[in-house]
Amino acid sequence: EVQLLQSGGGLVQPGGSLRLSCAASGFTFSSYAMTWVRQAPGKGLEWVSVISDAGDATYYADSVRGRFTVSRDNSKRTLYLQMNSLRVEDTALYYCAKNQLLGTSHWHWFDPWGQGTLVTVSS
Amino acid sequence: EIVMTQSPATLSVSPGERTTLSCRASQSVGSDLAWYQQRPGQAPRLLIYGASNRATGIPARFSGSGSGTEFTFTISSLQSEDFAVYYCQHYNRWPLTFGGGTKVEI
Repeated sequence: EVQLLQSGGGLVQPGGSLRLSCAASGFTFSSYAMTWVRQAPGKGLEWVSVISDAGDATYYADSVRGRFTVSRDNSKRTLYLQMNSLRVEDTALYYCAKNQLLGTSHWHWFDPWGQGTLVTVSS
Repeated sequence: EIVMTQSPATLSVSPGERTTLSCRASQSVGSDLAWYQQRPGQAPRLLIYGASNRATGIPARFSGSGSGTEFTFTISSLQSEDFAVYYCQHYNRWPLTFGGGTKVEI
């Protein structure tokens, strides 16, 4: 069974930093691109970042580019999101998710999703 | 950035009824569209990819259609567990974007 277990959320002051983790099991982690999506309280879904299977290509939403860094350790089967210069508007439930691989082509729809981890930015 | 617009924002339906949700893209995304279901307190779940392909284990009462800029998602006969928020998402180019969601309520 594919599982994504998230950790690392919490309360942080504006301007602070936090690192989220997403531990994967049940699939060949190193073969799949991975994604972060967030959801502000009571709001819809916002795509945050994607990292390629090898970790050599990354993509970001404009709202986080330059402040957030996505990375992965394929030997540990773990995805990370380093969040710096956090703002109040970054407060959200952050989800990691597995992208799709059909043959040798990578596709950016997401299945499954982790359980989510809450990040609260407040003074 | 491609803007995804879902309508209506809220849909009130009765169990057993057929319901259709709409998703419009501000530019053509071909068939690069997915639909997700999010029940209260749960993570989203993939239902449809490629505009019309059901994901593994998704019941046949869920279907999707469309291409280009106009897409629809249909639930043929609403079950109690289908009352949730539904999101569309394009994956045609960067940045990826989601629609604002349609809440299907009793």
